[in-house]
Amino acid sequence: DAKTTQPTSMDCAEGRAANLPCNHSTISGNEYVYWYRQIHSQGPQYIIHGLKNNETNEMASLIITEDRKSSTLILPHATLRDTAVYYCIVRVAGGATNKLIFGTGTLLAVQP
Amino acid sequence: DAGVIQSPRHEVTEMGQEVTLRCKPISGHDYLFWYRQTMMRGLELLIYFNNNVPIDDSGMPEDRFSAKMPNASFSTLKIQPSEPRDSAVYFCASSLSGGVTTYEQYFGPGTRLTVT
Repeated sequence: DAKTTQPTSMDCAEGRAANLPCNHSTISGNEYVYWYRQIHSQGPQYIIHGLKNNETNEMASLIITEDRKSSTLILPHATLRDTAVYYCIVRVAGGATNKLIFGTGTLLAVQP
Repeated sequence: DAGVIQSPRHEVTEMGQEVTLRCKPISGHDYLFWYRQTMMRGLELLIYFNNNVPIDDSGMPEDRFSAKMPNASFSTLKIQPSEPRDSAVYFCASSLSGGVTTYEQYFGPGTRLTVT
């Protein structure tokens, strides 16, 4: 699977949009971008995934650049409960393997 | 749906003892994963099953670790004998495969293991 690069940590003011970047310059054409988050003392939680089009769900929006070498996860109105480690993962969907390889992620601290 | 269920939530044991961690996946899911998380190594995939069959155990650290999935609703991860360096949070996750796009993984609350 392609590797990803994320900032170690970020701050965001409560109520503001949180924009979390991820670089995946070696992504292959059949690899999806997945985002998970892990709130302290809990298991990771799926947020969103996409291939090349922008995606939005009730939790977040995913913006993937046209060349697919980077993406941004957007939490439109961050709350204190969004404080967590956010993981960007690139992997092939389906196929013979169903593995997720977690990196070190970005610790998002939402400030009151 | 109750989600992925893990037991026990906390386990404290002495070095050399056998430890068994248990997981009940979400009903209908055909993939089950075991992960380990430590401060030093982060979140690591140990092994995963598809339709109760182990597919990839390359992440299992050594022979002291073993995992089984006797049926679709139950899996165990066993450490025998346990060592202090096995202290970690162990997560179980399950997912449903779906053709072109594999569905997301759902994680349990984890078991915090402390080996003294």
